[in-house]
Amino acid sequence: DGGITQSPKYLFRKEGQNVTLSCEQNLNHDAMYWYRQDPGQGLRLIYYSQIVNDFQKGDIAEGYSVSREKKESFPLTVTSAQKNPTAFYLCASRYSGGTEAFFGQGTRLTVV
Amino acid sequence: DAKTTQPPSMDCAEGRAANLPCNHSTISGNEYVYWYRQIHSQGPQYIIHGLKNNETNEMASLIITEDRKSSTLILPHATLRDTAVYYCIVANAGGTSYGKLTFGQGTILTVHP
Repeated sequence: DGGITQSPKYLFRKEGQNVTLSCEQNLNHDAMYWYRQDPGQGLRLIYYSQIVNDFQKGDIAEGYSVSREKKESFPLTVTSAQKNPTAFYLCASRYSGGTEAFFGQGTRLTVV
Repeated sequence: DAKTTQPPSMDCAEGRAANLPCNHSTISGNEYVYWYRQIHSQGPQYIIHGLKNNETNEMASLIITEDRKSSTLILPHATLRDTAVYYCIVANAGGTSYGKLTFGQGTILTVHP
């Protein structure tokens, strides 16, 4: 089935460690996105990418890094520079402008 | 991207129509209006989108004012399963900046029995 997959669903890390969240889509979508959601809050854009090998910072990019080496994949690395990394992370993709975005089911990251 | 303003919360009785407003007074000519909803701890689900004409699908109707500065999402017969956070966003349809999708705080819709 076509879709967007995030893994793992739950992730635990020790403070000071980098961690990479996976996002894969087989929808042939051009654009991919990463959002962060804190309890009771809306979605905040971290990074987005419209084409392979290109990406732009969103509103809260500090402490995060991404890559877009393949159209299907847009991994997010939460670095040790992110001061408060515990959150729910959502990945999305869409075909192009004027179309809807599809979301993954999210990864809940807990840093202890 | 244009900003959107939504009421933080709304209530609706089961079986009645839920009308969720959104203000986007700074919308530009090539920006679409999108609606998504998010049920607790899940990824947001697309509902509907439009440019300037009213739109309807199996889930909802979208009414966009003639000046495009506001819109209303209508769930015609709300059920308990429609309880969720509803997000209204505007985004470019094309060009080099089409990619950015910015969500606001949304409206918490609670459907009561």
